[in-house]
Amino acid sequence: AQTVTQSQPEMSVQEAETVTLSCTYDTSESDYYLFWYKQPPSRQMILVIRQEAYKQQNATENRFSVNFQKAAKSFSLKISDSQLGDAAMYFCAYRRIQGAQKLVFGQGTRLTINP
Amino acid sequence: SAVISQKPSRDICQRGTSLTIQCQVDSQVTMMFWYRQQPGQSLTLIATANQGSEATYESGFVIDKFPISRPNLTFSTLTVSNMSPEDSSIYLCSVAQGGLAGNEQFFGPGTRLTVL
Repeated sequence: AQTVTQSQPEMSVQEAETVTLSCTYDTSESDYYLFWYKQPPSRQMILVIRQEAYKQQNATENRFSVNFQKAAKSFSLKISDSQLGDAAMYFCAYRRIQGAQKLVFGQGTRLTINP
Repeated sequence: SAVISQKPSRDICQRGTSLTIQCQVDSQVTMMFWYRQQPGQSLTLIATANQGSEATYESGFVIDKFPISRPNLTFSTLTVSNMSPEDSSIYLCSVAQGGLAGNEQFFGPGTRLTVL
């Protein structure tokens, strides 16, 4: 079974600085998707960024980028120029490409932005 | 992206009672999912709601406790039966949209359930 691990329960960063959230996963599959979701206090889950495992290029969405290391099964999220609105729980998630479409989530990292 | 609404947004219930949560999507979707998020925890999939067939439950979740309906491609309900305080959680509906290459999952706003 696939598992996702986020080893940082909490992180904090100064506004305008850069922060990296860690995620590792375990799977025997060669093709899959990886995601970072953001859950602010409103509890609405928001997709931040997605990475297809067959793509070597790291995904980027504005201030958000990932460092995808397939061999190491590592998928970290970098947030540049942190803003107060980035404060939230961040969840790393895995999903198979074929078969069951369920998301397997990590434990989450609570990110605090210090003004 | 799909717009998903859930009713109720929150509720406080007595133990032993049941609550039905509704999930409405603004477009037809193939797959709908129900997740549970216990206080301070991550999300765990309860079941996949299949249109026209029985829901597919994950290990640890059973139909008698969490019956699910999926009458059409835009609507689903999850019932939490014979509730106990351990069922206090946020319940989230999620849908998958698009082909395999763009099969993103979108989430509803969640239903916060407190069982006394």
